Order: sequence, then structure tokens, then C-alpha cells
Amino acid sequence: NAGVTQTPKFQVLKTGQSMTLQCAQDMNHNSMYWYRQDPGMGLRLIYYSASEGTTDKGEVPNGYNVSRLNKREFSLRLESAAPSQTSVYFCASSYREGNQPQHFGDGTRLSIL
Amino acid sequence: KNEVEQSPQNLTAQEGEFITINCSYSVGISALHWLQQHPGGGIVSLFMLSSGKKKHGRLIATINIQEKHSSLHITASHPRDSAVYICAVRGSNYKLTFGKGTLLTVNP
Repeated sequence: NAGVTQTPKFQVLKTGQSMTLQCAQDMNHNSMYWYRQDPGMGLRLIYYSASEGTTDKGEVPNGYNVSRLNKREFSLRLESAAPSQTSVYFCASSYREGNQPQHFGDGTRLSIL
Repeated sequence: KNEVEQSPQNLTAQEGEFITINCSYSVGISALHWLQQHPGGGIVSLFMLSSGKKKHGRLIATINIQEKHSSLHITASHPRDSAVYICAVRGSNYKLTFGKGTLLTVNP
């Protein structure tokens, strides 16, 4: 029972490089989310997808793009990585938007030099 | 200013102690979540509540909507309870706002 799977688990990039973080869920959830977690701060929402075919900005969307490839997959892309994007990134999903528990992946630890 | 405040930030306990972690929030909410994050990073949802009290094993979560306050209690704490406990509130826009977390260490 995989739940929410994120790849990769760790990545080191140089400033200006691009990369895509992958997220897939096997729980038939409609809503998916990308968060970042930084020391001394709570998790912050980057982008979310309330349902297949829709995406919306969260609290900190600058420097990121997302794609809801299908119901299972929601990817996060850094087009030109900056040191300020060094963080731990979490993908989450829920059955639908609203008062539903969210299920989290194990996170991707991203360092940008 | 974070809309969700947790206390204490750090908590060290001896095995067997009763533990309380507090969460206060400043806005109207539709639900409050308690989450657990173990070393190594995985996050697990413990409770979602909008009123009253919920219990699961040794964990109890309570919420007082009028006072905008919630508590997470752990009875008979164990070293495996060592983790970061995170409070998050869901506002009218259905988005979660997270607290900074409480680092709990339970010593044997």
C-alpha cells in the first residue's frame, strides 16, 4: 500500500539548473498539494490541484510551476533553481478539497548551491 | 505573524509521563489537524477535529472553538513518541495553515 510516493528523495542542484519533482498517489484522491518546509517555519503551500485538470497558486508559488498530469500524478518544476529554494518539499493528497485528512509523501530534500 | 502558535517549542519528558502540547489560532476555522513528523521526515495525520475530543490509543486531542485553542495529550509516553507534532488549521478557504511544530523527546 504505497500511498503518496515522491521522487527523488534527495537532490543537489546548482543555481540556474532546472528539475522536476515527481509525486504519485494510489488512493484515488482528487486533490493534491505541494508544500515546502523550512527551518523555523511551518509548512507552506506552494501549489495545489483541487481536481484533475485544475491547478492554483498557494502561499509561495514564485519560482515554481506544476502539472497535474492525470488523477494520480502531480509534478513540481523549478525552472531556474535559486539557493532560496533549498528546502524539504512534501507532496500530499486528499480525497477532495475541504475538511479531509491529507496524506503526505516522505519528502524530497533539495539543496541548491 | 503566524496565525497558528504552538507551545512549547521543545519538550523533553521521561518515559511514562503525561504530555500536553498546545495550539492556539487567531482565525475562524472549519477544522484543526494534528500531525506527527518523525526523524527522517515522514508526516502522518493523527487527528482532524472541529469540536470536542478524539482519542486514538494513547493520544487524545481536544478543541475549544470559543477559545480558539486545541491540545494534544499523550498518556504513558514512550521513546517511540519522540517526534515533531504539528498543528494545522483549515480556514474558510479550505487551505491549511501550519504551526511551526513542537519537538518532543521522550527519554527512557
